[in-house]
Amino acid sequence: GAVVSQHPSWVICKSGTSVKIECRSLDFQATTMFWYRQFPKQSLMLMATSNEGSKATYEQGVEKDKFLINHASLTLSTLTVTSAHPEDSSFYICSAPPSGRAKDTQYFGPGTRLTVL
Amino acid sequence: QKEVEQNSGPLSVPEGAIASLNCTYSDRGSQSFFWYRQYSGKSPELIMFIYSNGDKEDGRFTAQLNKASQYVSLLIRDSQPSDSATYLCAAPPSGGSYIPTFGRGTSLIVHP
Repeated sequence: GAVVSQHPSWVICKSGTSVKIECRSLDFQATTMFWYRQFPKQSLMLMATSNEGSKATYEQGVEKDKFLINHASLTLSTLTVTSAHPEDSSFYICSAPPSGRAKDTQYFGPGTRLTVL
Repeated sequence: QKEVEQNSGPLSVPEGAIASLNCTYSDRGSQSFFWYRQYSGKSPELIMFIYSNGDKEDGRFTAQLNKASQYVSLLIRDSQPSDSATYLCAAPPSGGSYIPTFGRGTSLIVHP
């Protein structure tokens, strides 16, 4: 199956710093990628849709100035959590449907666990 | 608004039994469904997809789709403790969107 990677797999940072998370599609091109957040024992929450070459689309209640998304190429999307606070501590997961294949198949990255002290 | 409903569980079954996970959906236009497995602390992993009415079998897993009843299920035969995870049902994007709709997931516990 298609492979999506994320980096880093975990990160610990101080409150007020910014953290960048990368999502890469390794063997396919993805014009669209999705960013999810998941708190312990809760369901996936879609944060935003990342679109290659254009602005991301954010879900209601997600601050676009806090969660900066850049999708500069067909294989890379980045999520930057700016001025992180302890309440931003969560499991961040990206996913992508392979372009040109069954567009409704989602392949998930392994996730990034963010802990803000 | 398209919805996918799942019982959050937990569903507890003994080792070797059949685990039955169920999902209902609201969009009659949905043509296919996906089942993901998510272990604690890990991201979801696609395990099954089904496009047509009836059953689809893959090893110990059987997906069942009933479009008339808007019901999709996942059966796990000979359940193992390693099957303990949260199972997510997902409906595909529609109307030009790439965004799938996920259920909240059902927690499955297989006890020895």
